[in-house]
Amino acid sequence: DTAVSQTPKYLVTQMGNDKSIKCEQNLGHDTMYWYKQDSKKFLKIMFSYNNKELIINETVPNRFSPKSPDKAHLNLHINSLELGDSAVYFCASSQDTRAADSPLHFGNGTRLTVT
Amino acid sequence: AQTVTQSQPEMSVQEAETVTLSCTYDTSENNYYLFWYKQPPSRQMILVIRQEAYKQQNATENRFSVNFQKAAKSFSLKISDSQLGDTAMYFCAFMKPNAGGTSYGKLTFGQGTILTVHP
Repeated sequence: DTAVSQTPKYLVTQMGNDKSIKCEQNLGHDTMYWYKQDSKKFLKIMFSYNNKELIINETVPNRFSPKSPDKAHLNLHINSLELGDSAVYFCASSQDTRAADSPLHFGNGTRLTVT
Repeated sequence: AQTVTQSQPEMSVQEAETVTLSCTYDTSENNYYLFWYKQPPSRQMILVIRQEAYKQQNATENRFSVNFQKAAKSFSLKISDSQLGDTAMYFCAFMKPNAGGTSYGKLTFGQGTILTVHP
């Protein structure tokens, strides 16, 4: 069983469209995240959710709206897609927000290409 | 703000040999965590090893070990008996907990080092 699963794996769309990426974890974790990996492979956190509540928003444009219907799911909706949004988006989860006991488990990523 | 630097964009090693990947970081904190993640061509991010800054003993996980030099702010990864499956991009990452011990999953990553293991 995949611990953190994201769909779709690949997403190709045109500028201006709205798209969503779904994420589910079956680890029973309380905390979920979205990270972005740009074309230079640089990884940066976008959002953290703990028990469905937003706890970190790293100055991400408000075109990006995460939604957590329950602790096991964290979806990412992106409005009015721009060329610069092309990247690999990783979902991750951890037991909770404590650094000591909560290594992050990452999904396989979603490669978004905006044309 | 913390920064993490991996000065080796690419490394290569022969199968069964040993290779060391470098990582340095900059922080004024005393309590923090360091990680190495592996990203193979499949794209998944896999945790390789973790080190708590308050522990002097270097972490080891089978063929993977670290050389943690806190004063020098250096955290290198040694891979022994390299295998073809070790071919991947390796990321060094830093996590700083706040006073309450929480970090909210905020990892600061280095630029990555591409490791190729040759048969």
